[in-house]
Amino acid sequence: AQSVTQPDIHITVSEGASLELRCNYSYGATPYLFWYVQSPGQGLQLLLKYFSGDTLVQGIKGFEAEFKRSQSSFNLRKPSVHWSDAAEYFCAVGAHNDYKLSFGAGTTVTVRA
Amino acid sequence: SAVISQKPSRDICQRGTSLTIQCQVDSQVTMMFWYRQQPGQSLTLIATANQGSEATYESGFVIDKFPISRPNLTFSTLTVSNMSPEDSSIYLCSVERRGSYNEQFFGPGTRLTVL
Repeated sequence: AQSVTQPDIHITVSEGASLELRCNYSYGATPYLFWYVQSPGQGLQLLLKYFSGDTLVQGIKGFEAEFKRSQSSFNLRKPSVHWSDAAEYFCAVGAHNDYKLSFGAGTTVTVRA
Repeated sequence: SAVISQKPSRDICQRGTSLTIQCQVDSQVTMMFWYRQQPGQSLTLIATANQGSEATYESGFVIDKFPISRPNLTFSTLTVSNMSPEDSSIYLCSVERRGSYNEQFFGPGTRLTVL
């Protein structure tokens, strides 16, 4: 079965600075990869996804992620964070023969002025 | 994308009682999912609900504690039965986007506190 590791529990970043959130997955074939964001008191919103093709994917809110097969990673990046990016971020992995998603533990992002 | 609503958005319940959470989707979907998110934790899948069949429960979750109904292609309910403080969580429903490689859309969640 597939699994996901998000090594960073909490990241604090200054407004305007760059952000990178790490995600490592375990799966024997090409996975389906997702990043979701959860703002306080809200449900999950899909930021971006990777199924195949170009390994650098663009998402909403200025986020991008790069799939690196050799490193089993799918790290999320944003060049310049805004205070509204303070939230919980979840990486998730799916597989072509399994309809379920496996979620990482999440990374809490705090943005300081 | 699908628009998903949940009712109630939050509730405070007494130990030993039950609460039914509703999930409504604005389009017909085959698969609906129910997740639990305990405080400060990630999402854990409770069960998968397909219309016209029994829900499929994940390890550690049983039908007697979390009965699920799926009467049609746009609606599902999850009941949390005989609640204890350990059931205090956010409960989320989601739907799979057809043909989208496991992509799921989530409802806003129901925040449950059990006293």
